[in-house]
Amino acid sequence: KNEVEQSPQNLTAQEGEFITINCSYSVGISALHWLQQHPGGGIVSLFMLSSGKKKHGRLIATINIQEKHSSLHITASHPRDSAVYICAVKGDYQLIWGAGTKLIIKP
Amino acid sequence: NAGVTQTPKFQVLKTGQSMTLQCAQDMNHNSMYWYRQDPGMGLRLIYYSASEGTTDKGEVPNGYNVSRLNKREFSLRLESAAPSQTSVYFCASSADRYNEQFFGPGTRLTVL
Repeated sequence: KNEVEQSPQNLTAQEGEFITINCSYSVGISALHWLQQHPGGGIVSLFMLSSGKKKHGRLIATINIQEKHSSLHITASHPRDSAVYICAVKGDYQLIWGAGTKLIIKP
Repeated sequence: NAGVTQTPKFQVLKTGQSMTLQCAQDMNHNSMYWYRQDPGMGLRLIYYSASEGTTDKGEVPNGYNVSRLNKREFSLRLESAAPSQTSVYFCASSADRYNEQFFGPGTRLTVL
């Protein structure tokens, strides 16, 4: 079993839909990192959070440390949100990467 | 600020050839990292440097060497390239070890 699991692996939705991507982990962590990888390959940091919720524009990230779970939400999704979304957890001595969720938003 | 820059963007090598991938950051970050990303797979850490003057192996260090030339620059060297090293290579930096990481644009390497 992987220490960091993302679900779903693939998600296709229509423009305007509310999107939720999940990240579950099995190790103790001090923080969790959400990143976005564009179709062209570039990787952009979205959030790093250790508790509660963070919001940036239409993106919202939440984390529940007790349940070892984080969610990334996208409101009013748009085709330009199509990308791979990656979570990574910060343990004591390493950053453990999830395999990513590929999101496609259709117009 | 340019953030994290990498050169080259693309490279084709023949088996056995050597090359160095360059990475530089202008954010005054202490920590720098080299990752590889293979099709359908997540990022895998090759080497990292927690601070200037130190380097440590990551998950997949075999076949690679690194140099933390100064606080800004962290290079990755392939001494004798192999087809298994065909991949996209990303450099990243963070203020401190394993904090929020900022990525370069990547180098797409093909070894024939």
